Amino acid sequence: DTGVSQDPRHKITKRGQNVTFRCDPISEHNRLYWYRQTLGQGPEFLTYFQNEAQLEKSRLLSDRFSAERPKGSFSTLEIQRTEQGDSAMYLCASSLPTMGTGTITGELFFGEGSRLTVL
Amino acid sequence: GDSVTQMEGPVTLSEEAFLTINCTYTATGYPSLFWYVQYPGEGLQLLLKATKADDKGSNKGFEATYRKETTSFHLEKGSVQVSDSAVYFCALSDRRGLTGGGNKLTFGTGTQLKVEL
Repeated sequence: DTGVSQDPRHKITKRGQNVTFRCDPISEHNRLYWYRQTLGQGPEFLTYFQNEAQLEKSRLLSDRFSAERPKGSFSTLEIQRTEQGDSAMYLCASSLPTMGTGTITGELFFGEGSRLTVL
Repeated sequence: GDSVTQMEGPVTLSEEAFLTINCTYTATGYPSLFWYVQYPGEGLQLLLKATKADDKGSNKGFEATYRKETTSFHLEKGSVQVSDSAVYFCALSDRRGLTGGGNKLTFGTGTQLKVEL
């Protein structure tokens, strides 16, 4: 399978524990995105990497959240001191580079997501 | 900021019925518009897109036309099948993109479609 893969698919944890999610993008994609999706809502942007550089973070990404992409390939999203409000599906997506400024190819390729339940 | 509003679901149709899912948007720039689909147990997939006014995106019998004057991008299909049952998300991307030309999408809340025999 050469699509975006995420691990684990499901995580149940107790409030206050730390959790880490991993995302492996499509190999030739240099852009990687994290989104969060809660029940009945559309995905919300969290953060974005171009290669290993984290270029934008949403205000949704509190200090308890940290994302890395150390070698410009896979990425991790860590949530420290989890709260019940962190329960959600965490989606990873990747994309090809855009072709010149102002030209957006548009397609993000999404993984199946990592579902977090905080008890 | 940018936002997308789409009709609430679930929408329940009989097979071969006509489908319309409404989507309107608010954007400060000149966005590209998308429909993504999420089948049960699968990740989001791009269904179709349009990058400028009056463009029509189409795929798998689905169509949507970029209407700048009404800020809309309604999804239509002439004859739905049971296999079309899924959640459909309308989304936009600001042409200015992210730093370095990335592609941050703003999604609507999704519309669940159920097609029955």
